[in-house]
Amino acid sequence: AQKITQTQPGMFVQEKEAVTLDCTYDTSDQSYGLFWYKQPSSGEMIFLIYQGSYDEQNATEGRYSLNFQKARKSANLVISASQLGDSAMYFCAMREGYGGSQGNLIFGKGTKLSVKP
Amino acid sequence: EADIYQTPRYLVIGTGKKITLECSQTMGHDKMYWYQQDPGMELHLIHYSYGVNSTEKGDLSSESTVSRIRTEHFPLTLESARPSHTSQYLCASSEFTYQETQYFGPGTRLLVL
Repeated sequence: AQKITQTQPGMFVQEKEAVTLDCTYDTSDQSYGLFWYKQPSSGEMIFLIYQGSYDEQNATEGRYSLNFQKARKSANLVISASQLGDSAMYFCAMREGYGGSQGNLIFGKGTKLSVKP
Repeated sequence: EADIYQTPRYLVIGTGKKITLECSQTMGHDKMYWYQQDPGMELHLIHYSYGVNSTEKGDLSSESTVSRIRTEHFPLTLESARPSHTSQYLCASSEFTYQETQYFGPGTRLLVL
């Protein structure tokens, strides 16, 4: 069974509008971490935002916020005021537990976001 | 923000050649990783290391090997390249902290003819 599910292979958004990228996860661990990465066409993976399973507040980093709904096991990324430079692949990832092999990330299949001028 | 470097960025090579993909980081991170990613697809972990002299295989079986003789250096070697090895290879590193965020290098795009 997939541990990280991103159901939107591709998304379009108009410049300056907000967009939500969906991510659901599956784990029986109580301690886990959720990450979002951006991958432009150049190929590098850029860390955007992190949410720990015990964090009570939703994480925010500039124009990025993470809508964390623990009971639903969802960790959606919200990008406000989209810019043309936001066009990229976006990957959701989960770390189950801490330390050792539990520190490794499991990635979703990604969502390709295209921002229209 | 981590400084992590990969060379070469692009490599075109013939079948049967031995290749080494270089990865170095200047953050002093103990943990390092290699991922394989086909275009537009998810990342698959092929190797990781907890520190010097530690190497482990990841979730995706790979014919490559790795070594970790120095903290900052984690090269990946293919003894005999094949067209099926054509892919992007991404190196990452992280600290042993609560968050353990992985920071990635720019990647190496490998094409085996």
